[in-house]
Amino acid sequence: AQTVTQSQPEMSVQEAETVTLSCTYDTSESDYYLFWYKQPPSRQMILVIRQEAYKQQNATENRFSVNFQKAAKSFSLKISDSQLGDAAMYFCAYLEYGNKLVFGAGTILRVKS
Amino acid sequence: GAVVSQHPSWVICKSGTSVKIECRSLDFQATTMFWYRQFPKQSLMLMATSNEGSKATYEQGVEKDKFLINHASLTLSTLTVTSAHPEDSSFYICSAQDRGSGEQYFGPGTRLTVT
Repeated sequence: AQTVTQSQPEMSVQEAETVTLSCTYDTSESDYYLFWYKQPPSRQMILVIRQEAYKQQNATENRFSVNFQKAAKSFSLKISDSQLGDAAMYFCAYLEYGNKLVFGAGTILRVKS
Repeated sequence: GAVVSQHPSWVICKSGTSVKIECRSLDFQATTMFWYRQFPKQSLMLMATSNEGSKATYEQGVEKDKFLINHASLTLSTLTVTSAHPEDSSFYICSAQDRGSGEQYFGPGTRLTVT
């Protein structure tokens, strides 16, 4: 079974600064999807960004971008110009066969003003 | 955008009773819905996958007789926690897969407290 590892239980960033959240995964597949989800205090899961493994280009959504290193099985999320509203728990996820999402343990991001 | 609702958002029940949680896709058809359980500050744990018109597939370690899942239509799946006990208290989240696009969308979750 695929596994997703987020090694940073908590991270802090100063408002307007940049922060990178780490994620590694394990798979023997060559084509797959990876996601970053945000879960704010409301606990509603929000899709932040998606990456298709066969695409070499790193996905970008406004202030959010990923560094996808397929050979290293690494999928980090960079948040630029951090805002107070970015404070949340962030989950890295892998979409496995059967469309099941395998989630990492999560990283709590705190944004300091 | 695609919306998934859950009802109720918060429920308190007495030990030994059953409680039903509904998950609805409001503006799309979902052939597959997923049920997750989440403890505070922890990750989402997949409990089961429900497919419209067929029996749910449960993950290892999840009691199918305790967590009854029914996916009666393309827009509704229900999770019934039978004979609930305090250890069943948790946050339950559903997600629905759009039949057309294949995208998954999450509901807002249901907080269950068993007293």
